[in-house]
Amino acid sequence: GAVVSQHPSRVICKSGTSVKIECRSLDFQATTMFWYRQFPKQSLMLMATSNEGSKATYEQGVEKDKFLINHASLTLSTLTVTSAHPEDSSFYICSARKGQGSTEAFFGQGTRLTVV
Amino acid sequence: SQQGEEDPQALSIQEGENATMNCSYKTSINNLQWYRQNSGRGLVHLILIRSNEREKHSGRLRVTLDTSKKSSSLLITASRAADTASYFCATNRNQGGKLIFGQGTELSVKP
Repeated sequence: GAVVSQHPSRVICKSGTSVKIECRSLDFQATTMFWYRQFPKQSLMLMATSNEGSKATYEQGVEKDKFLINHASLTLSTLTVTSAHPEDSSFYICSARKGQGSTEAFFGQGTRLTVV
Repeated sequence: SQQGEEDPQALSIQEGENATMNCSYKTSINNLQWYRQNSGRGLVHLILIRSNEREKHSGRLRVTLDTSKKSSSLLITASRAADTASYFCATNRNQGGKLIFGQGTELSVKP
């Protein structure tokens, strides 16, 4: 089966610092990956679509300068939360699509970010 | 809002009973998928139903899709305590893989 690994699973950082979250497709190449955030007891909100070798496409209302996305290889996308604030505390989840014709997305385990 | 609606928001049943969750969405779709999420964890894909399908089964799961009403339902039969989780529907408008999630149903199955 397709495996997507997300790291770290939990991170606590101080206000004003930056945090990088990695999303790796372990056994397949993913030209497209997606980043979501989820607040407690709420649904997943799509933040951006990460395309290998090109700029990410951000959803309306998501600050691209705050949430930096890099998709430098076919198996790795990173999300960097810059100058983190307590309101950025959330659960961040990535997903990857197996190929152009695939309609199924495979999700990472999520990263719990706490900004203190 | 980009999200659809799910109801109920929370459902509590006894082991052995059936659980039905409903999902409504707003736009035309290519397919609709159901996911399960245990507390604080990632999502597990349960089942996908295409826009030209009306019903699909997988084990104890039964999914229906009514594109005229823009709604879907997920039925879990003979529920078990291990089915306790949040369940989300997600729609895919094209083959791009971008999913729009419903608000989710929190299911609690009591032993």
